[in-house]
Amino acid sequence: ETGVTQTPRHLVMGMTNKKSLKCEQHLGHNAMYWYKQSAKKPLELMFVYNFKEQTENNSVPSRFSPECPNSSHLFLHLHTLQPEDSALYLCASSQDGGQGRTYEQYFGPGTRLTVT
Amino acid sequence: GENVEQHPSTLSVQEGDSAVIKCTYSDSASNYFPWYKQELGKRPQLIIDIRSNVGEKKDQRIAVTLNKTAKHFSLHITETQPEDSAVYFCAASIRGGTSYGKLTFGQGTILTVHP
Repeated sequence: ETGVTQTPRHLVMGMTNKKSLKCEQHLGHNAMYWYKQSAKKPLELMFVYNFKEQTENNSVPSRFSPECPNSSHLFLHLHTLQPEDSALYLCASSQDGGQGRTYEQYFGPGTRLTVT
Repeated sequence: GENVEQHPSTLSVQEGDSAVIKCTYSDSASNYFPWYKQELGKRPQLIIDIRSNVGEKKDQRIAVTLNKTAKHFSLHITETQPEDSAVYFCAASIRGGTSYGKLTFGQGTILTVHP
């Protein structure tokens, strides 16, 4: 598997469920991101992790909880979501800062989340 | 924080025509401006980017121009083809030093190229 992968690709969950989205990058990058893409809004940055440290939390509700155990894996834990949280959740990675930085963000295919 | 406005929201052209998408940004400290293309059902992919030390950059049929004084930048696609049909996003970011990764995206432009 190359590039950035995300699982699951589709997820339907009730408002009382707890689920997790997984992202894995095989590019040797040091930064990873979660974005939310919905029909009514542009790509919204949710979280940024650099060298496993969270460097950005873009005023995201606490029902979204990110986890970055290492520079290759990123999770988004979901609990007590609302129907308006239904969207495409995209993960991305980049080689940012320091030597070899390219700035380009490589996106995963996304998880289509539906909250019922 | 940074705010990026993108226009138009939809653009329809005939094959072979040119297409121009414009973006404005609010933070004068922004110095990196990428453009992403997202085809239907696919992930966004970088197609071209420009840094604030240059005014124009070209790559085959696509070009980007930057006006730092006016704080706007534009994507130009010449000789459009049906496969150029997609959603295009502009973005702005502050890069360099210890700055990491935060891209602020525009609202997107749905480009349709009619054969």
